[in-house]
Amino acid sequence: AQSVTQPDIHITVSEGASLELRCNYSYGATPYLFWYVQSPGQGLQLLLKYFSGDTLVQGIKGFEAEFKRSQSSFNLRKPSVHWSDAAEYFCAVGTSYNTDKLIFGTGTRLQVFP
Amino acid sequence: SQTIHQWPATLVQPVGSPLSLECTVEGTSNPNLYWYRQAAGRGLQLLFYSVGIGQISSEVPQNLSASRPQDRQFILSSKKLLLSDSGFYLCAWSVPPGLGQFFGPGTRLTVL
Repeated sequence: AQSVTQPDIHITVSEGASLELRCNYSYGATPYLFWYVQSPGQGLQLLLKYFSGDTLVQGIKGFEAEFKRSQSSFNLRKPSVHWSDAAEYFCAVGTSYNTDKLIFGTGTRLQVFP
Repeated sequence: SQTIHQWPATLVQPVGSPLSLECTVEGTSNPNLYWYRQAAGRGLQLLFYSVGIGQISSEVPQNLSASRPQDRQFILSSKKLLLSDSGFYLCAWSVPPGLGQFFGPGTRLTVL
């Protein structure tokens, strides 16, 4: 069965430090993958997506993610974190082109210290 | 550009009362529509999705139901709310294939 694992429930970094949020997926076919961000009390915003081609994808707000098929991973990175990046981050895998259903990980809460 | 609206933003209801949450999408045609629930401190649970008017698929058994009376309108309902129905309800849309889902601002439901 398809699944998404985000092993880190909570991560704390200092402002200006680099960031990597981990995401591992289980899917039998070629996946399409997403990262979303959610601020408290808000909906989810799409950061970036991967379908095929270049395994390093760029997103909004200075984020990037790298698809590694051999490791079944799609980790999210940012070279320098800003205090406004504090939020909940969700990784998701698409399971069907027709229905566009997504399976979400349980999320990683990012806290940024000044 | 496309926008998605949800209302109300916040709702407090007694146990046993009915529920109606509405979601509408603007700027796109024939979208797929989704209802999710997010319990406190937890991930997203897909409740229903719809690929067209009157077509509803339920993902989990529960006392909630969904309807799609118009192309860009998606309604979540209940005849009698339970305490366990409390949570943050999110509506989303997509235009397949594979471009991702786009979420509304959500409705915070508290059942007392």
